[in-house]
Amino acid sequence: GAGVSQSPSNKVTEKGKDVELRCDPISGHTALYWYRQSLGQGLEFLIYFQGNSAPDKSGLPSDRFSAERTGGSVSTLTIQRTQQEDSAVYLCASSLGWRDEQFFGPGTRLTVL
Amino acid sequence: AQKVTQAQTEISVVEKEDVTLDCVYETRDTTYYLFWYKQPPSGELVFLIRRNSFDEQNEISGRYSWNFQKSTSSFNFTITASQVVDSAVYFCALSEAIGKGGSEKLVFGKGTKLTVNP
Repeated sequence: GAGVSQSPSNKVTEKGKDVELRCDPISGHTALYWYRQSLGQGLEFLIYFQGNSAPDKSGLPSDRFSAERTGGSVSTLTIQRTQQEDSAVYLCASSLGWRDEQFFGPGTRLTVL
Repeated sequence: AQKVTQAQTEISVVEKEDVTLDCVYETRDTTYYLFWYKQPPSGELVFLIRRNSFDEQNEISGRYSWNFQKSTSSFNFTITASQVVDSAVYFCALSEAIGKGGSEKLVFGKGTKLTVNP
């Protein structure tokens, strides 16, 4: 079956612009996660969605970051007023449920100039 | 706070050699889950194994094997008879429950870059 998909695969933007990153999880997976991977910080958790429950936003680095998940499926991560330190690969993962193995998408490489 | 340490930043071996990737974790949870992921040069993280804290049996899958020892808080990964296609960055991760709301996240080690030379 289809895996986790993300779009765009690459995004180059200018400092101060807003960006939206999209994630399509595996069908039937109720849990969805966003992480980011950068050279200096490794893999960092950003946000967690489980079913219709309120998301856990404890990993979001600032209030410029937000995410939503519509209809329990597709998720969008929005970064407002991007900064150069936001440059990283943003990874989305989904799993069947709590503490199940997470399956990762190919990521979106964000470059902020 | 939970923590995962992969002390080996980079390892280089010659094809057919066995190689062990170390992972040491810290947690106060009595129930926890450990994972290994592979990230080949293409970039996509590939799930390898999930192990819960109550199951200390070693696991073997083809050329891959895992040694889980709660006494030393370690979850090491061994590749037997390594191949060039095994070249990748390998991440060990610990599932951490967040608060009491039922949410959770993976805490990753920094990864070990394995290069298998022909």
